Parts: sequence; C-alpha cells; structure tokens
Amino acid sequence: SQQGEEDPQALSIQEGENATMNCSYKTSINNLQWYRQNSGRGLVHLILIRSNEREKHSGRLRVTLDTSKKSSSLLITASRAADTASYFCATIGAGSYQLTFGKGTKLSVIP
Amino acid sequence: DAGVIQSPRHEVTEMGQEVTLRCKPISGHNSLFWYRQTMMRGLELLIYFNNNVPIDDSGMPEDRFSAKMPNASFSTLKIQPSEPRDSAVYFCASRPGQAPGNYGYTFGSGTRLTVV
Repeated sequence: SQQGEEDPQALSIQEGENATMNCSYKTSINNLQWYRQNSGRGLVHLILIRSNEREKHSGRLRVTLDTSKKSSSLLITASRAADTASYFCATIGAGSYQLTFGKGTKLSVIP
Repeated sequence: DAGVIQSPRHEVTEMGQEVTLRCKPISGHNSLFWYRQTMMRGLELLIYFNNNVPIDDSGMPEDRFSAKMPNASFSTLKIQPSEPRDSAVYFCASRPGQAPGNYGYTFGSGTRLTVV
C-alpha cells in the first residue's frame, strides 16, 4: 500500500521559479526521504529528514517535516530545465524497515 | 564506485519463458532491495535482503517469483513462468547498514521487462 501521497500529481513552471511539492503520509515514521526520477532512469536519493527534524537544506532543496500533520514539503528554488523529473517521497514507518513510496509529482520546468 | 549495476537494461520475452534479472550492489552495502514499478501500482517492494539473507519476501507476487543472493556482490530475481502482467520496470537498490537506519537508498537503472 502507498504510505506517502504527493500533491500535486503534476506541476509545470517557468525556469527560475520555485517549485513546491507536498507529501502526506498515514502512520508514524522513522524518517522521510525524497527521490528524483528522470524519465526512463532509476531513482536518485535527494534528501533524508528524520522524524525529530523539522527542516533540512541541501543546495537548492529545502525539505520540511510536520509530524503532527503527517506531512512534508519539498521546495526547489530557482528551478532549471534540468530539474524536470518525477519526485517521490518515501517513508520508513516507525518500527519498520520498509521504504514505501508515493506515486510521485511530475515536474516540468519550461525554459 | 560504479553504483548499483543491473542487467539487462531491457528484456523482451514470450509468455511462459523464464526471466532472470541481475543486480550488483555497491560494495560494502549490506542491505539489498528489489522493487517493481508500474503505472498502476507505482513502486512496490518485492524482497529485502540483509547480509545476503532474505528478511522479508512478503511482497513477492506469487510462487512464480524467486530471488537469491548467493554472495554480497550479486543478486538475482527470477520469474518462471513469465506472464504479460509481469511487464514492469524492476529496480534493485542497496544501502549500508541494517534497515531501517537513516541512510538513503542507491538505485540501479532498472530492467524494463516486457512479456508478450
């Protein structure tokens, strides 16, 4: 079953704009991770945020986590055409080992 | 490091044939996972190995699927006999340490399987 659900399912923005994707999940988690998948390629790990963390940065990426709302957001600042990809959130449930993925947000960055 | 290596990249086979997918994890990673990705169901975990031992195979669809990890540098996923509904992209992923841990997974490029 899908633990994470991303919103929106698809997002189209102009190069230079910021892109925000949201993820909601259902049960308590150990950590939450974001991955990128370019068309026809494997998934690339972007960032991991632990359940006791509220915000994390990596380059142009900013991830927030609100465990009370069981939600997370991924912000990509100053987007580039190369950011065009599908973005997935994935969670490891508390007491579990299984990394469970949502269905992803398809981001298109128009040059 | 060359990353997680999967072969073949593409496989087209006829219904009823045996299919074997291969994976070489990153050296030193002792957790290995097989996932399947389809449009309808997204990414599904099939099986998880830790230190070459299958820990959980509850995601394996049915007895036609089997997976082995004879050593730390090699794993196979076998489908026998294959059916059209097995058509999907199969990913192998590895990570250091024992799950759950706080490590990201490294995915291979996947094998796109088409069963006709």
